[in-house]
Amino acid sequence: ETGVTQSPTHLIKTRGQQVTLRCSSQSGHNTVSWYQQALGQGPQFIFQYYREEENGRGNFPPRFSGLQFPNYSSELNVNALELDDSALYLCASSLEVSRGRLPYTFGSGTRLTVV
Amino acid sequence: SQQGEEDPQALSIQEGENATMNCSYKTSINNLQWYRQNSGRGLVHLILIRSNEREKHSGRLRVTLDTSKKSSSLLITASRAADTASYFCATGLDSNYQLIWGAGTKLIIKP
Repeated sequence: ETGVTQSPTHLIKTRGQQVTLRCSSQSGHNTVSWYQQALGQGPQFIFQYYREEENGRGNFPPRFSGLQFPNYSSELNVNALELDDSALYLCASSLEVSRGRLPYTFGSGTRLTVV
Repeated sequence: SQQGEEDPQALSIQEGENATMNCSYKTSINNLQWYRQNSGRGLVHLILIRSNEREKHSGRLRVTLDTSKKSSSLLITASRAADTASYFCATGLDSNYQLIWGAGTKLIIKP
């Protein structure tokens, strides 16, 4: 059974650029959530995808968007990057039926630096 | 926004001692989860406690939950150098997929 894999592990982008982060969910998991974690802070919920549709969204602007594919993998896209977007982006997978009742499996994250 | 706070923000103890971290939250919950994070990488699930439970054990971990005080504690007994990490609590609702996180406690175990 494979865990959650994220790519790339590190990324440096220039302000104003666009970035795509990728996530492969754990085998058997059909729901993917994305979190942003600034340095020294706890994670902040960005959004969740289930059955290729956004299933919930946190307090993030529309320039944060996502996709989920039929194999349950997911992408996080951020347009018009700002310096404050520099953070660790974490992907977590779970079973839809679990809702909040079961633990999430997290990937190791993508460290994004915006300069 | 953060759900609550972990206390203390940082904790440094000798190997073999017990470490206690506390988490407070603000709203109603169905469950509370504790996670560990090593060196700013991925989060590893440690233990989940439901709102109708008061205490739960897993190996050297003991978690308590007091819903009347909206607080939880994580006790790590007989600490080891490998326990050095940041520890986060996260709260969840059965009706919502979002986990709401505290800011974490940084634990350092000195050999």
